[in-house]
Amino acid sequence: QKEVEQNSGPLSVPEGAIASLNCTYSDRGSQSFFWYRQYSGKSPELIMFIYSNGDKEDGRFTAQLNKASQYVSLLIRDSQPSDSATYLCAAGTGTASKLTFGTGTRLQVTL
Amino acid sequence: KAGVTQTPRYLIKTRGQQVTLSCSPISGHRSVSWYQQTPGQGLQFLFEYFSETQRNKGNFPGRFSGRQFSNSRSEMNVSTLELGDSALYLCASSLASGTGVNYGYTFGSGTRLTVV
Repeated sequence: QKEVEQNSGPLSVPEGAIASLNCTYSDRGSQSFFWYRQYSGKSPELIMFIYSNGDKEDGRFTAQLNKASQYVSLLIRDSQPSDSATYLCAAGTGTASKLTFGTGTRLQVTL
Repeated sequence: KAGVTQTPRYLIKTRGQQVTLSCSPISGHRSVSWYQQTPGQGLQFLFEYFSETQRNKGNFPGRFSGRQFSNSRSEMNVSTLELGDSALYLCASSLASGTGVNYGYTFGSGTRLTVV
């Protein structure tokens, strides 16, 4: 069973702090990795994707990938209350469109 | 541009009935995937269609089926509904290439199915 694992949380961070969300995956054939944000009662929305080892930055968000450790993370700088949501990590292989999702980490940004 | 449109938004069905859900992908997106989301299992992959062909299938029973039309619109059918089929069904469209490389999904708002 190829899995993507995340800590369910909740992860609580104060407003303005850095939130660090982590994810591990078991399938070494995974080549593409995605972070989705899901607000309660809404559908997931894509935040960013990463294919290569290292960091990828987009605004307040930074995705980090370490294929040797099979580890993906998402950093959210200057966290805002509007960032409070469940963050889903997903992994895909290079030759298929199927994504395997983790069960998500609930983030709470407190005032 | 218009997003992914799923209809209906809510559905209540009785055990044993069948149901058909519809999804219109983003214009130009040829890949449509379906997921089931439940609180306990999270997002579970059902199947993916690309150019009217099922390209990938998840580990769901044969009661779950789908199809894609020439305009990329997709339907999902569940026959002989069970209580455990109650879930949010999400459709996702992707600008997937013919080789299947995934550039990330855009999800629809989902269909909330309740089986009573």
